[in-house]
Amino acid sequence: GAVVSQHPSRVICKSGTSVKIECRSLDFQATTMFWYRQFPKQSLMLMATSNEGSKATYEQGVEKDKFLINHASLTLSTLTVTSAHPEDSSFYICSATDSPRGSQHFGDGTRLSIL
Amino acid sequence: GQSLEQPSEVTAVEGAIVQINCTYQTSGFYGLSWYQQHDGGAPTFLSYNGLDGLEETGRFSSFLSRSDSYGYLLLQELQMKDSASYFCAVLYSSASKIIFGSGTRLSIRP
Repeated sequence: GAVVSQHPSRVICKSGTSVKIECRSLDFQATTMFWYRQFPKQSLMLMATSNEGSKATYEQGVEKDKFLINHASLTLSTLTVTSAHPEDSSFYICSATDSPRGSQHFGDGTRLSIL
Repeated sequence: GQSLEQPSEVTAVEGAIVQINCTYQTSGFYGLSWYQQHDGGAPTFLSYNGLDGLEETGRFSSFLSRSDSYGYLLLQELQMKDSASYFCAVLYSSASKIIFGSGTRLSIRP
């Protein structure tokens, strides 16, 4: 159980394009979802915390208008990278939890490459 | 602020035992988790310690001392497939969010 599906797994697109990444909890209702970014050989950096039906809470230094997060249901959260540029190229990973302080279940990640 | 420290690299021999340490400085600490990540993959959950002591799951064990703000992951009977990055992560009491350490790259040699 506790499967999180993230789609797409890889995106290559031109600078200026907006990219949407989906994160779905397949067999549980996710009260909270998290979005991380990971650069090569570095740790996962928390970008934002998303609760269903409310605005996402962004970490310091993360641009809200650049990284739009929507958590429309208990099983789906989306991250949209707006007007992406090469410096936005990274590995984006979502996770979900079904209870406060529960363990987080990670999606397989999305490798975003902006040309 | 919040900070976690763990060694950047560890090398061990197949079949041996290795311990990866993690120290943390944080407010609102609730528990310490460990995650494994292979190159190109997503993190997978290994263990969680909410209380002091040792938690054992097969070949992997994790330890926590809240008074020392210290924990470790112990891997026994190392296998080549254990070569990966291992992250300690602190769970905060509010919002159930976690902050990851910088990761320890474990290399296993025959």
